[in-house]
Amino acid sequence: GQQLNQSPQSMFIQEGEDVSMNCTSSSIFNTWLWYKQDPGEGPVLLIALYKAGELTSNGRLTAQFGITRKDSFLNISASIPSDVGIYFCAGQLPNPSGSARQLTFGSGTQLTVLP
Amino acid sequence: DGGITQSPKYLFRKEGQNVTLSCEQNLNHDAMYWYRQDPGQGLRLIYYSQIVNDFQKGDIAEGYSVSREKKESFPLTVTSAQKNPTAFYLCASSTHREVSDGYTFGSGTRLTVV
Repeated sequence: GQQLNQSPQSMFIQEGEDVSMNCTSSSIFNTWLWYKQDPGEGPVLLIALYKAGELTSNGRLTAQFGITRKDSFLNISASIPSDVGIYFCAGQLPNPSGSARQLTFGSGTQLTVLP
Repeated sequence: DGGITQSPKYLFRKEGQNVTLSCEQNLNHDAMYWYRQDPGQGLRLIYYSQIVNDFQKGDIAEGYSVSREKKESFPLTVTSAQKNPTAFYLCASSTHREVSDGYTFGSGTRLTVV
């Protein structure tokens, strides 16, 4: 199936630092989504992007839908301890033909914030 | 409040036994999904369902079975044929729209074979 290459796989940062992670694909997507998963819980939607070039913020989080429609990045500014978790990108291929199999997920970025 | 509920949160199974994981949603979503997550790994799709009484295999369906008799419910059975069932299982649901507004996930069930 389609694959999203998400990087980095893991990050260790100091509290207060900024963080950047990204996803790339060989396929064009018409929607990009970013999720956060707290330990032992299900992923929660952070940001949804629907247009190429779109830049959207949610508090300290900023995400962009790449111009080529094949990539997206997520930035977290001024990290805090509760930012710890796994961040997933997800993309929807165009013309899903009514299939419920709408989203392809990246492999996740494990973020650790050190005090 | 609408949401998606998975139960139980923790489940222990003896080798050779079947076990069923529950997933219920009151979001009026048409589509539902089951994912498996291993430690430090991403999400792998087991089964999905677009409508009642219909479901499709995902990437790792072997050793699993599902049913979709009601719109609200999508239980997953882990059978004895699944050789390595210890994992974190996530259920999700979504609307059936051309432009995705994302999935809503449950809080997961951690299955351990003892």
